[in-house]
Amino acid sequence: GQNIDQPTEMTATEGAIVQINCTYQTSGFNGLFWYQQHAGEAPTFLSYNVLDGLEEKGRFSSFLSRSKGYSYLLLKELQMKDSASYLCAVSNGNYQLIWGAGTKLIIKP
Amino acid sequence: IAGITQAPTSQILAAGRRMTLRCTQDMRHNAMYWYRQDLGLGLRLIHYSNTAGTTGKGEVPDGYSVSRANTDDFPLTLASAVPSQTSVYFCASSEGTENTEAFFGQGTRLTVV
Repeated sequence: GQNIDQPTEMTATEGAIVQINCTYQTSGFNGLFWYQQHAGEAPTFLSYNVLDGLEEKGRFSSFLSRSKGYSYLLLKELQMKDSASYLCAVSNGNYQLIWGAGTKLIIKP
Repeated sequence: IAGITQAPTSQILAAGRRMTLRCTQDMRHNAMYWYRQDLGLGLRLIHYSNTAGTTGKGEVPDGYSVSRANTDDFPLTLASAVPSQTSVYFCASSEGTENTEAFFGQGTRLTVV
């Protein structure tokens, strides 16, 4: 089967760093996406990894290890507006994205 | 219109009724998708279209149908709604079919009673 696992919920403090992990088992692999979704809103694109390693984009970075079926999203200098759900999705090479259930990130002052 | 638009934003529907959710994009994207999002579950693909005139079934297609008569529009129809179809429905589009960013509409919250 195809499966993507993420923690259901995480809590972090404003100004701190948080790492959200994603592990996957899919029939194929053609890249991994991270999306941000604020409550009641649509998902918005954050990052895409297809090769192993770290991709940095401002306060957000995403890492991929294809051999381990593992990715993480790293958020630095957390702000209250980062409170949202973070969705991991894998392109399985069959015109479809397989989505994790998302990690709800709660930022406390 | 800027981006991708869905209508209605919310709807309460009696079981057994027919309903069409509308989706329009102005980005000239080839690929379009319909997802449903339920609490505790990831987005699940209902149907997709890689280009105008073609459609395909996703993970949970039963009870739903789509058409893609042109590039911009991708309506989703529930022929006879059932309570298990209560969900938030998102339409999305992308320039390519797999490895490109998807843009989402604001969603339609559908309640079937």
